[in-house]
Amino acid sequence: GESVGLHLPTLSVQEGDNSIINCAYSNSASDYFIWYKQESGKGPQFIIDIRSNMDKRQGQRVTVLLNKTVKHLSLQIAATQPGDSAVYFCAETSSGSARQLTFGSGTQLTVLP
Amino acid sequence: SQTIHQWPATLVQPVGSPLSLECTVEGTSNPNLYWYRQAAGRGLQLLFYSVGIGQISSEVPQNLSASRPQDRQFILSSKKLLLSDSGFYLCAWGDRVGTEAFFGQGTRLTVV
Repeated sequence: GESVGLHLPTLSVQEGDNSIINCAYSNSASDYFIWYKQESGKGPQFIIDIRSNMDKRQGQRVTVLLNKTVKHLSLQIAATQPGDSAVYFCAETSSGSARQLTFGSGTQLTVLP
Repeated sequence: SQTIHQWPATLVQPVGSPLSLECTVEGTSNPNLYWYRQAAGRGLQLLFYSVGIGQISSEVPQNLSASRPQDRQFILSSKKLLLSDSGFYLCAWGDRVGTEAFFGQGTRLTVV
């Protein structure tokens, strides 16, 4: 759900390591999930999405895992690079929500040299 | 291809002054349009969304209003700005068939 008042959690990883960013959602009716990347001073950019009839989807260096049983979503970034440093948001929507996106609180990823 | 334009990129306004932020979308018809606000180091808060011309839904009570005078134009306004209106404002659009939202580059508003 939306946590707009909270400070962003942070994750620091060494360059070249894999990153895992987690997100929990509460609406069991959610059927579409998206990960966004937001660089400082810019709007969020779409990274990857997944529908509820899937539990895994892969892109270029990124993988999204969906566990509907525990309402958990994760984003895995392989071989993390300095350019991956950003805030990552998960978002979810359901067919009964007029397709409004509900954003998670976001995670600040910092890649260490 | 679809593009979204949001302006201005930065804005400094005195308390009590009016506000008008404009957002336009190109390359699509009948988009869902959204205004979000983001405080520094925080998540995204949905302010308004619109599913058609003249149709505006407000998510939170506030000092702001939104209008959609044309299909691909979404305007965020205020008659008198408050200090608490400072933030990063993002416009977004979504396809009625698909469900992801595409964001503009944002407007950094500072009320002084």
